[in-house]
Amino acid sequence: ILNVEQSPQSLHVQEGDSTNFTCSFPSSNFYALHWYRWETAKSPEALFVMTLNGDEKKKGRISATLNTKEGYSYLYIKGSQPEDSATYLCAFRSSGGGADGLTFGKGTHLIIQP
Amino acid sequence: AAGVIQSPRHLIKEKRETATLKCYPIPRHDTVYWYQQGPGQDPQFLISFYEKMQSDKGSIPDRFSAQQFSDYHSELNMSSLELGDSALYFCASSFIKQGPNSGNTIYFGEGSWLTVV
Repeated sequence: ILNVEQSPQSLHVQEGDSTNFTCSFPSSNFYALHWYRWETAKSPEALFVMTLNGDEKKKGRISATLNTKEGYSYLYIKGSQPEDSATYLCAFRSSGGGADGLTFGKGTHLIIQP
Repeated sequence: AAGVIQSPRHLIKEKRETATLKCYPIPRHDTVYWYQQGPGQDPQFLISFYEKMQSDKGSIPDRFSAQQFSDYHSELNMSSLELGDSALYFCASSFIKQGPNSGNTIYFGEGSWLTVV
């Protein structure tokens, strides 16, 4: 059983502040690390797919880093806005192959307070 | 842009009945994944198909079966339904035939809500 953990479980952030949270995953047999943004009653929205140690990806005010040797990824949100409120899921894929399933973390529930 | 289409969006069945969920992947995607998310739980991987062949199997009960058809759509068949099968079932698709380290972004449908009463 693969262990993918996210912390914190929930986070309240003031509008305009920056924040970050963590995803930890097995450091062996790494293939890819996915980040998703999930709003209630909607399908998860793909944010990033990260494959190489040291990867840094950016999409607007959201960015992510990857350390496959120590098994963690950070997601950063700069200048939080109310529309950033969502659950952020990370998902780990082992090196079994491209069509293998993802193992999801339990998510970080982010609430932006105006 | 076309997304992953799932049907039906909502389904109510009685215990011991059978249910079938359908998934239409994004055009030209060759891989389909099924996930189950129970109330208050994180998504659990059930099964995946690549080029119409079963590729990987997760925590799918023996009462469930799935297949991918020649047009790449997939169906998840659930028999002898139990109350615990009530969940949101997500289908996702991706395009695997890319270079190494491509990561293969996986796109999710909006899910099918199954309620077993």
